[in-house]
Amino acid sequence: KAGVTQTPRYLIKTRGQQVTLSCSPISGHRSVSWYQQTPGQGLQFLFEYFSETQRNKGNFPGRFSGRQFSNSRSEMNVSTLELGDSALYLCASSLGRRQPPEQYFGPGTRLTVT
Amino acid sequence: GDSVTQMEGPVTLSEEAFLTINCTYTATGYPSLFWYVQYPGEGLQLLLKATKADDKGSNKGFEATYRKETTSFHLEKGSVQVSDSAVYFCALIDRGGSEKLVFGKGTKLTVNP
Repeated sequence: KAGVTQTPRYLIKTRGQQVTLSCSPISGHRSVSWYQQTPGQGLQFLFEYFSETQRNKGNFPGRFSGRQFSNSRSEMNVSTLELGDSALYLCASSLGRRQPPEQYFGPGTRLTVT
Repeated sequence: GDSVTQMEGPVTLSEEAFLTINCTYTATGYPSLFWYVQYPGEGLQLLLKATKADDKGSNKGFEATYRKETTSFHLEKGSVQVSDSAVYFCALIDRGGSEKLVFGKGTKLTVNP
């Protein structure tokens, strides 16, 4: 069974631009969560989607948004990029029903904002 | 809010040494506890988990016991290998249907031959 895939793996953008990252979950998984990883703040939860609905949201500004499609694939968008948005963005998928959830992570997208 | 505190390291050990990475948590509810591992250039892998007090999670020679009285979930391994070199994260999920993982800052482990 294929794991969680994220595209692109690396991205360089300029301040003020916007970016869209993609995540394809493991087949059969309906929940997708996004995390931001930085050296200073560590791993922080962005949001979680289940069956195309946002179920939970972290403490990030409105510039960060996401969505999930009917095939469970998810995208996250960051508008008006700032230097501080440089990070590794990790996506995780799970069945969405089991407690506690077992989340499987993708390799991440490394975003650099210059 | 919920939080996880783990020893920051870095930790450097010789092969076959004993490993302990301390982790304590604060949670309003009764969380499930996890250890994840991140190898260089990769995402996170679930190493082990425990869902209730006194549960012991184990995998690949690593163990951790859920101690409710001390709110701790320390990671141990009796004999580390060079291939165990990675960053280890302690994390929790509060009960109630959430998928939100709350992570510690991570502990970098380097094992020398």
